[in-house]
Amino acid sequence: GIQVEQSPPDLILQEGANSTLRCNFSDSVNNLQWFHQNPWGQLINLFYIPSGTKQNGRLSATTVATERYSLLYISSSQTTDSGVYFCAVERFGTASKLTFGTGTRLQVTL
Amino acid sequence: DSGVTQTPKHLITATGQRVTLRCSPRSGDLSVYWYQQSLDQGLQFLIQYYNGEERAKGNILERFSAQQFPDLHSELNLSSLELGDSALYFCASSVQQGGGEQYFGPGTRLTVT
Repeated sequence: GIQVEQSPPDLILQEGANSTLRCNFSDSVNNLQWFHQNPWGQLINLFYIPSGTKQNGRLSATTVATERYSLLYISSSQTTDSGVYFCAVERFGTASKLTFGTGTRLQVTL
Repeated sequence: DSGVTQTPKHLITATGQRVTLRCSPRSGDLSVYWYQQSLDQGLQFLIQYYNGEERAKGNILERFSAQQFPDLHSELNLSSLELGDSALYFCASSVQQGGGEQYFGPGTRLTVT
């Protein structure tokens, strides 16, 4: 099956700092999504981004499908950004299921 | 709020028992997906239904089964529960059969004692 690797596995930031999270995948995809899992366990959709660049407030994402990676940028981080960030992909031409990476655990401190 | 609802939010039960988890997709979505999040396995796809029919199967145990009803809500049945079945179970929905954005419900946290 498709492999999804996320880096770094853990990240500690001070409030106000910027960060870049990376997702590498091993095959062509027709769906890529970024999620934030908050401390209560809820999975929140951040971006649906199989290719291109999107921005939503302090967050933005870029997927370079031909090179099989995606980046999530968090600017001016806040304590509410803490949690685990997952990248998930759906391999092109196969059954429609999302394969998740192992996540990046982000802690934003005051 | 994603528009996907799941009940119950928490469930505590004993080994050997059977439980049913319920999911209502977003209005207009025809696909329902079930995922399991456990500490050792991470987030894994279990099964997908599209407009009442099974479309894709993942790492779903034989003790687990699911169905999607005519009103498009779905139920995941877990039987002969084991300690290792303790996990967070998510339901997701999407408009199309594949390739579209999936929206996740709040999850059901199952604890097997």
